[in-house]
Amino acid sequence: QVQLVQSGVEVRKPGASVKVSCKASGYSFSGHGITWVRQAPGQGLEWMGWVSGYNGNTNYAQSYQGRVTMTADTSNATAYMELRSLTYADTAVYYCARFFGGLVPKYIDYWGQGTLIVVSS
Amino acid sequence: QSVLTQPPSASGTPGQTVTLSCSGTTSNIGTKPVNWYQQLPGMAPRLVLYSDDLRPSGVSDRFSGSRSGTSASLAITGLQSEDEADYYCATWDASLFWVFGGGTKLTVL
Repeated sequence: QVQLVQSGVEVRKPGASVKVSCKASGYSFSGHGITWVRQAPGQGLEWMGWVSGYNGNTNYAQSYQGRVTMTADTSNATAYMELRSLTYADTAVYYCARFFGGLVPKYIDYWGQGTLIVVSS
Repeated sequence: QSVLTQPPSASGTPGQTVTLSCSGTTSNIGTKPVNWYQQLPGMAPRLVLYSDDLRPSGVSDRFSGSRSGTSASLAITGLQSEDEADYYCATWDASLFWVFGGGTKLTVL
């Protein structure tokens, strides 16, 4: 069965960076993309961008361009999301999820368990 | 401010049918299929409908969907207490960005 297992809770100071991992199993990693979605406390879902498991191509939401890097390591079926220049507003749960559909992703079908990132001085 | 518009709350009593709406534009819902996600408290979201009206394996047939023009809807028949959750619609935008609705909190009275 498809599983996405994320790394654990992270606490960072303002201005720091954080890198979250997402280990995929149960499917062909290179056949689908990985997307990242965040959810601030009490708020809705916000799409951050995605990375192709096939060729590593990325597409980032405008609000994160220049501050986020998403990568995909096919050798160990793991995706990574690095967010830089953290502010208190970045405190949220970050989800990785599978974008179903090869080179042209169609929809998100499976989700990781989420990683809480806390930005605190 | 979300690209897709959903009412913030909805409610129903057990056994009722509730319909959740999602409104967009010709740049997204008007041309792209809509997907729906259920998020139980403290849990990750779960796909309940994709490509407007298709149910993934394991999702109850009490969930159904439709899309017309620049709007989409999710209907839940025979409402049950376990359906109490936040529901999000989502699709692609012509700008090649994935967009979510703001979510609807469904309460089972």
